[in-house]
Amino acid sequence: DIQMTQSPSSLSASVGDRVTITCRASQSISSFLNWYQHKPGKAPKLLIYAASSLQSGVPSRFSGGGSGTDFTLTISSLQAEDFATYYCQQSYSTPRSFGQGTKLEIK
Amino acid sequence: EVQLVESGGALVQPGGSLRLSCAASGFTFSSYEMNWVRQAPGKGLEWVSYISSGGTIYYADSVKGRFTISRDNAKNSLYLQMNSLRAEDTAVYYCARETGSRDYFDYWGQGTLVTVSS
Repeated sequence: DIQMTQSPSSLSASVGDRVTITCRASQSISSFLNWYQHKPGKAPKLLIYAASSLQSGVPSRFSGGGSGTDFTLTISSLQAEDFATYYCQQSYSTPRSFGQGTKLEIK
Repeated sequence: EVQLVESGGALVQPGGSLRLSCAASGFTFSSYEMNWVRQAPGKGLEWVSYISSGGTIYYADSVKGRFTISRDNAKNSLYLQMNSLRAEDTAVYYCARETGSRDYFDYWGQGTLVTVSS
């Protein structure tokens, strides 16, 4: 099974900051990497698919990069509505494993 | 508009059974792969099970032999039959549509809470 490891586990930042979350796969997954945003009591939301493709309707301040085993999610200028937990997920093989999550909190 | 609505969550005793449903609308349900994903209290997202449009099925090791995923394309519905429930199965269960050549989950339901406790 492929293990996904995110860092950091939590992050404090201010509105307007640029933040980057990293995700590492235990083996190469090409670009089969997706990012989701999850807020309490809400459905998870797809942000980025195939490592760097922005899902329709997602603001352009979100971007993804990487391939193979190392990936990043960057938010160029944090907005108040971006404070949430972010998960990476590999879709290279089953089980479709998620990272442990990165909780983005207001500083 | 694509909608996924889960139901069936409840409080159940250890060893008990429960059947979750996910009602789909706004898309051709029979053409899509579907998944169940759960989130235990204070924990992250955990993939549970997958069913393809053609009926191929996979399970997480943690539920294999106890949970059964199925679908009824005539009713636009996805199901998860959960048997021999354990305290560690307590979670919010989400159904999610899988799509694209890179198999991402583009639509999710709001979730249904399953609590396993005596």
